[in-house]
Amino acid sequence: DAGVTQSPTHLIKTRGQQVTLRCSPISGHKSVSWYQQVLGQGPQFIFQYYEKEERGRGNFPDRFSARQFPNYSSELNVNALLLGDSALYLCASTKWENTEAFFGQGTRLTVV
Amino acid sequence: AQRVTQPEKLLSVFKGAPVELKCNYSYSGSPELFWYVQYSRQRLQLLLRHISRESIKGFTADLNKGETSFHLKKPFAQEEDSAMYYCALFPATGANNLFFGTGTRLTVIP
Repeated sequence: DAGVTQSPTHLIKTRGQQVTLRCSPISGHKSVSWYQQVLGQGPQFIFQYYEKEERGRGNFPDRFSARQFPNYSSELNVNALLLGDSALYLCASTKWENTEAFFGQGTRLTVV
Repeated sequence: AQRVTQPEKLLSVFKGAPVELKCNYSYSGSPELFWYVQYSRQRLQLLLRHISRESIKGFTADLNKGETSFHLKKPFAQEEDSAMYYCALFPATGANNLFFGTGTRLTVIP
């Protein structure tokens, strides 16, 4: 039984570039959330999608956007990358909106 | 606004000794509290949640609403308990996301 899968696992981008991160939730889970984890900090909420609709947005600039597809997979897009966007990006899926979150391995983004 | 505080970034204990990882929160309502754990090279995973009142891997955590705390405890630490531990809060109303503390790295010394 596959857990939450994220791709790619590692990514190096240059300042100003754009990046797309992908997430596939556990089969049967309709909610996907994205978190950013900067070194030395806990995960910080970016977005939540449930049944393909945005249900929550954290305190991140408009350079960050996301979407959820009919198969419940999700993409996180970050435009005009800054050095400070370097972090581990985590995807979590839940069966319903308010229950246990299952996390993926994360995508390590390095902006140089 | 909700906030989760884990005052210890690092905690070292000897094998067999009791361990307590502290977590305090600020939230005006009745949140759901969780402990997540991340072992080396593994993904973040749920350790326990206060509503289930379970003991997982010998760990327990009691929600103290008066002190707004949710400390994680284990009477006898094992080497395999060495990991990063995060306390997290899920609000009762409003936001549908977890609010995490900064984490405590537990090292169990053989």
